[in-house]
Amino acid sequence: GAGVSQTPSNKVTEKGKYVELRCDPISGHTALYWYRQSLGQGPEFLIYFQGTGAADDSGLPNDRFFAVRPEGSVSTLKIQRTERGDSAVYLCASSPARGYEQYFGPGTRLTVT
Amino acid sequence: GDSVTQMEGPVTLSEEAFLTINCTYTATGYPSLFWYVQYPGEGLQLLLKATKADDKGSNKGFEATYRKETTSFHLEKGSVQVSDSAVYFCALTFYNNNDMRFGAGTRLTVKP
Repeated sequence: GAGVSQTPSNKVTEKGKYVELRCDPISGHTALYWYRQSLGQGPEFLIYFQGTGAADDSGLPNDRFFAVRPEGSVSTLKIQRTERGDSAVYLCASSPARGYEQYFGPGTRLTVT
Repeated sequence: GDSVTQMEGPVTLSEEAFLTINCTYTATGYPSLFWYVQYPGEGLQLLLKATKADDKGSNKGFEATYRKETTSFHLEKGSVQVSDSAVYFCALTFYNNNDMRFGAGTRLTVKP
């Protein structure tokens, strides 16, 4: 079946602009995660959704970052007033439930100039 | 807090050599353990997993055994191929965890 998909695959934006990154999880997976991966590092947790609600947003670095999952499927990560330090690969993952193996999308490479 | 420490890379091997990538963890309790692989230009793929002590995960010739005594989950393969060149990540989670903790990754290059 279809895996996790993410769009766009690449996004270049200017400092101060707003961006939205989209994730389409595996059908039927109730748990959805966002991670950020910097060069040479492992993914770092940002936020976890169980269904429509953000069950844990403790990894979001500051209030410029926000994510939604209004219908319990597709999720959007929103970044306001982007900064150069936000440049990274943003990964989305889904799993059948919390604590199970996670299936990752290909990521969105965000570059803030 | 819970964390994973991986052997630093990069690792360069000749084809058919034996591979070991070390992974140790620090956690309160007994997590599930995973190895993920990231091929060039692709996303992370689950390679193998183990959910309790002494379990052995295996896939594509790779193996890792969950060792509670040494809090380790080392990845091994008896004979690597050029196509195994990738970055390998060790990771852990608990059944009631909201995230997965990853190591920094180990880059493997296999030369013909």
